[in-house]
Amino acid sequence: DAGITQSPRHKVTETGTPVTLRCHQTENHRYMYWYRQDPGHGLRLIHYSYGVKDTDKGEVSDGYSVSRSKTEDFLLTLESATSSQTSVYFCAISDQGRRATQYFGPGTRLTVL
Amino acid sequence: DQQVKQNSPSLSVQEGRISILNCDYTNSMFDYFLWYKKYPAEGPTFLISISSIKDKNEDGRFTVFLNKSAKHLSLHIVPSQPGDSAVYFCAAMAGDYKLSFGAGTTVTVRA
Repeated sequence: DAGITQSPRHKVTETGTPVTLRCHQTENHRYMYWYRQDPGHGLRLIHYSYGVKDTDKGEVSDGYSVSRSKTEDFLLTLESATSSQTSVYFCAISDQGRRATQYFGPGTRLTVL
Repeated sequence: DQQVKQNSPSLSVQEGRISILNCDYTNSMFDYFLWYKKYPAEGPTFLISISSIKDKNEDGRFTVFLNKSAKHLSLHIVPSQPGDSAVYFCAAMAGDYKLSFGAGTTVTVRA
């Protein structure tokens, strides 16, 4: 299994509060991704990173920001959480090459009340 | 607008029989396709992939077929086993590193 951890694994928060989710990898892979999974939508890309300090938006980036100051860590921040951001969040990593397989972390279940 | 569609939310199959999962896509720029399997409370795991220059790829009990003219791909699992009970996601890529996923099909293998 690819060495990917996500923290926290579960979080309950209130509307309007900031939330940061962390993804940590031990594989030294260049690419890192944040997805959210919702019923009826599958997984949707929020943001991704193609190197330290290099990030780009995905399909559903509104309300989210990311940072990557080290190869191994990719942070996802909800500046002011809303109930529509209640979801399961997955981090993924991949190595060089466009067709390199993306490996997923175990997920973080976030509930915004 | 979802560019990858899995129109069957669920599939029930008897152990030992074939499972056929279907996936349709609308973006003609997609040139690489993947299937992922997901168990509850775990992240998706890669199952099998196919490039648009092929029409079939096999890996053990899993075979993916691609019909580019119909913008359709399918995953065959033969024979189905109880451990195959999971959610299966179809995904596609178009010239960059971003994956577009379908909504998933829940497979239940009956003993």
